[in-house]
Amino acid sequence: DTEVTQTPKHLVMGMTNKKSLKCEQHMGHRAMYWYKQKAKKPPELMFVYSYEKLSINESVPSRFSPECPNSSLLNLHLHALQPEDSALYLCASSQDSGSREADTQYFGPGTRLTVL
Amino acid sequence: QKEVEQNSGPLSVPEGAIASLNCTYSDRVSQSFFWYRQYSGKSPELIMSIYSNGDKEDGRFTAQLNKASQYVSLLIRDSQPSDSATYLCAVYQGGSEKLVFGKGTKLTVNP
Repeated sequence: DTEVTQTPKHLVMGMTNKKSLKCEQHMGHRAMYWYKQKAKKPPELMFVYSYEKLSINESVPSRFSPECPNSSLLNLHLHALQPEDSALYLCASSQDSGSREADTQYFGPGTRLTVL
Repeated sequence: QKEVEQNSGPLSVPEGAIASLNCTYSDRVSQSFFWYRQYSGKSPELIMSIYSNGDKEDGRFTAQLNKASQYVSLLIRDSQPSDSATYLCAVYQGGSEKLVFGKGTKLTVNP
């Protein structure tokens, strides 16, 4: 089973709202990722968690706040977003066992975010 | 930022033909290479991974890696209309957890 789930599927929010995106995997993976994807562009890495610790922050604005409550869950808290933040937000996970062959990232279905 | 370049599309092939997708990367230290397929409005789906020089076959898909030339390709044999999608090449930056994607090649298979 290579399933990563994300909720909600769609989210519309105003610039003053606070909302959260959720991601869950039950594959025993120890690395989890947030990506942002704009239309007709490739996914852009935002954050990496490895063994529940933030290991990469790609200089993402502080209005995006990641959280990894445990090895299966990853949240992205959103506050005071701008219309240009509208995009598909993708979560992914990988085994992160140190073996390169275990580094395959599996993506969830994404959350389509619209900021009004 | 290490770069991953894909042949500019879109690529259009007739049903039953071979589709050839190409990718070059700039980081000589990179060891892991991936092809993802992404249908419009959906998330990326893993097609193939390759780590060693040479060919790796999985059904109608063959990935080819040449580390000396820093080149990875994906061949799709007997292309079907259902293969119509954007194909993303992805490469780990050497020694990093960062997966860098190419801009993608949009493939259309015409019935």
